[in-house]
Amino acid sequence: GQQLNQSPQSMFIQEGEDVSMNCTSSSIFNTWLWYKQDPGEGPVLLIALYKAGELTSNGRLTAQFGITRKDSFLNISASIPSDVGIYFCAGISNFGNEKLTFGTGTRLTIIP
Amino acid sequence: GAGVSQSPSNKVTEKGKDVELRCDPISGHTALYWYRQSLGQGLEFLIYFQGNSAPDKSGLPSDRFSAERTGGSVSTLTIQRTQQEDSAVYLCASSTSRVRGYTFGSGTRLTVV
Repeated sequence: GQQLNQSPQSMFIQEGEDVSMNCTSSSIFNTWLWYKQDPGEGPVLLIALYKAGELTSNGRLTAQFGITRKDSFLNISASIPSDVGIYFCAGISNFGNEKLTFGTGTRLTIIP
Repeated sequence: GAGVSQSPSNKVTEKGKDVELRCDPISGHTALYWYRQSLGQGLEFLIYFQGNSAPDKSGLPSDRFSAERTGGSVSTLTIQRTQQEDSAVYLCASSTSRVRGYTFGSGTRLTVV
């Protein structure tokens, strides 16, 4: 099946630093989504991207839908303690079946 | 309700027993998904319901797994003759359209002992 390669797997940063993570795929996606998951909770949608080349911001978060439709990145600026968690990218490859394919996740830890 | 509700939140069962996991989607959401998340892993697609269409069962790992959605609303995921490798968090999500993304419940943590 389709796979999304997400990197890095984990990040250890200091508060205030910027963060960047990305997802790549061997196949085309028509929609890219970025989720954050806190312990014991389900993933929460952060940003949705629908067009190739689209750049979207949500507060300190910025995400882009790659031109080739095979990649996306998420940036977090000026990280704060509540940014800690696992970030997942997810893609939808066609409009007929809107099954989400998830990346393997990036675990973000903030070092005191 | 305001969000996707899943029950129970935790379930411990003995190997070989059957379990039923319930999902109440957001009212009016026509699409409902089940995913499985093993410890420290990403989300694995299990099954997808969309309106009255035949469900996409392509992610179900074996014939011990089945799911139904009654009246286009509540869904039940059933695992028969549970095995230890079935231990995971089972997440349900619902959506009204891809434009709004997908809202997840908090999941059911299943432990098979």
